[in-house]
Amino acid sequence: NAGVTQTPKFQVLKTGQSMTLQCAQDMNHEYMSWYRQDPGMGLRLIHYSVGAGITDQGEVPNGYNVSRSTTEDFPLRLLSAAPSQTSVYFCASSYSARGYEQYFGPGTRLTVT
Amino acid sequence: GQQVMQIPQYQHVQEGEDFTTYCNSSTTLSNIQWYKQRPGGHPVFLIQLVKSGEVKKQKRLTFQFGEAKKNSSLHITATQTTDVGTYFCADLSNSGYALNFGKGTSLLVTP
Repeated sequence: NAGVTQTPKFQVLKTGQSMTLQCAQDMNHEYMSWYRQDPGMGLRLIHYSVGAGITDQGEVPNGYNVSRSTTEDFPLRLLSAAPSQTSVYFCASSYSARGYEQYFGPGTRLTVT
Repeated sequence: GQQVMQIPQYQHVQEGEDFTTYCNSSTTLSNIQWYKQRPGGHPVFLIQLVKSGEVKKQKRLTFQFGEAKKNSSLHITATQTTDVGTYFCADLSNSGYALNFGKGTSLLVTP
């Protein structure tokens, strides 16, 4: 099992560019989520999905889109990158949303100039 | 959603000293999870507490859930340099579909 994989590991964007952060899991988990981590701010939930075709917003969804067409994949799209989106992004998955441990991917470090 | 507050934000100890981090909430928590993140790494699940007053141990780590389910603690006995990292608590939101993370306690252990 590869667990949760994320690509790319690092990315530099210019303001206004768009891109997609990829996340995949091979554990047949129902629940997947995206977090951003900024110094001193902990992990903040961006979007989550409780199954294929079902997504919902977390604490900080503005500027990001998600979709979940398959159980395995949960890409995060930045529509028009801004310097405030400079962060480390983590994807996570778990068997179910309610009360199960979350498995995190290795993260994507994004810099927007 | 609910917000959990973690204290302290930072802790620097000498190897062999004990360490405790606290997670507090103004509302009753359904459950609490604890994660550890090594520098440059990703969060890794440590444990989940569900019952009021629950105490669980993992080697030198002791996790407690308060009687009122409004606080939790992680205690490390005789710290080692391998304990370095940031420890996060997380609670399940009211909807049951999102984990709300505290801001974490960063532990530095010097030999």
